[in-house]
Amino acid sequence: DIQMTQSPSSLSASVGDTVAITCRASQNINTYLNWYQHKPGQAPKFLIYAASNLQTGVPSRFSGSGSGTDFTLTISNLQPEDSATYYCQENYDTLFFTFGGGTKVEIK
Amino acid sequence: QVQLQESGPGLVKPSQTLSLTCTVSGDSITSGSYYWTWIRQPAGKSLEWIGRMYTSGSTTYNHNLKSRVTISVDKSKNQFSLKWNSVTAADTAVYFCVRAVGGGGIFHDWGQGTVVVVSS
Repeated sequence: DIQMTQSPSSLSASVGDTVAITCRASQNINTYLNWYQHKPGQAPKFLIYAASNLQTGVPSRFSGSGSGTDFTLTISNLQPEDSATYYCQENYDTLFFTFGGGTKVEIK
Repeated sequence: QVQLQESGPGLVKPSQTLSLTCTVSGDSITSGSYYWTWIRQPAGKSLEWIGRMYTSGSTTYNHNLKSRVTISVDKSKNQFSLKWNSVTAADTAVYFCVRAVGGGGIFHDWGQGTVVVVSS
């Protein structure tokens, strides 16, 4: 099974800052990598697919990059509503999918 | 816009069968090329993919859980369900139903989740 490792597990930043969350796969997954945002008590929200493609309606301050084993989710101009836990997820194997451990983003 | 809502018992006794239902509104469960999926999140842990049913009715399960899980659909009610045999305390989690696309690996639309506690 592919293992997904996210770092950091949590971070705290101020409004207007730029933050980066990294996700590493245990093997080459090309660009089969998606990102989700989850706020407590809410349905998780699909943000980015295929490593760098923004889902419709997602603010442009979110961006994704990477390929192979190393990926990054960047949030520019951090806003209060971005406080959430972010998960990466691989879909390299069409019969089994794994998530990263999550990164909790706090606004100072 | 599609909406998904999970329902089921909040508390299940160990060794019993957990049954959860996902009611889909805003779209027919039989239309399109979608994968009707279950994902769970144990407290303090990350998300775990459980399995899915394609619009055609074919199913795929997490091979680590396979023998205990069944996903089925009730077309007349526009619902799909999860049955989990012989639950243990380790199955205590928030369970999400999801509509997936892209070969089943892109989790596009999620329910809010339902908490299931396994305890005697």
